Amino acid sequence: GENVGLHLPTLSVQEGDNSIINCAYSNSASDYFIWYKQESGKGPQFIIDIRSNMDKRQGQRVTVLLNKTVKHLSLQIAATQPGDSAVYFCAENRRASNYQLIWGAGTKLIIKP
Amino acid sequence: DSGVTQTPKHLITATGQRVTLRCSPRSGDLSVYWYQQSLDQGLQFLIQYYNGEERAKGNILERFSAQQFPDLHSELNLSSLELGDSALYFCASSVGTSGGPGQETQYFGPGTRLLVL
Repeated sequence: GENVGLHLPTLSVQEGDNSIINCAYSNSASDYFIWYKQESGKGPQFIIDIRSNMDKRQGQRVTVLLNKTVKHLSLQIAATQPGDSAVYFCAENRRASNYQLIWGAGTKLIIKP
Repeated sequence: DSGVTQTPKHLITATGQRVTLRCSPRSGDLSVYWYQQSLDQGLQFLIQYYNGEERAKGNILERFSAQQFPDLHSELNLSSLELGDSALYFCASSVGTSGGPGQETQYFGPGTRLLVL
């Protein structure tokens, strides 16, 4: 069935390097995407969102890229820090699902010292 | 701190029992959402309330129910508990003024960890 999925369940990155977390979606009608960060033992925390009329959006140290042609979403974290260690979820807004957010499985980001 | 509070933080109970989880949304938020997260899994949307009314239903079992009260706090009731119900239960809230929950940022509480023995 249709889903939002992540290419890599675990990503290890050297501290100070850039991290790229990928997400694929299959519903071309989706028009809103969000990235959340979930640290161990805590609730998900909003990082950044993007609407389908954009292909790039930047925040503080984070950039989200949306490629609607291949239905791909990525989260780039610049100069990764130990505090970035978490599970990152992408979520997709599906109009066919009454605007419910459909969540991906998550990617665990591990920062190597 | 997201401004969303949940109680209790931890709950241990036995199979067949019933529990109630409580959520207070951020001040001013009208929508409340409930999610279930099993170990190392993603979030499963259960149900959404907007200003006291049920707005959307996800993968919520018939043994589970929820409600949102006039003061906008919400409760999730889990009954006839099974071992597989052990999970983290998150509440989230959003402003709720747009047409759909998927268009708004949701702010999550710290969760309630339920363990069914």
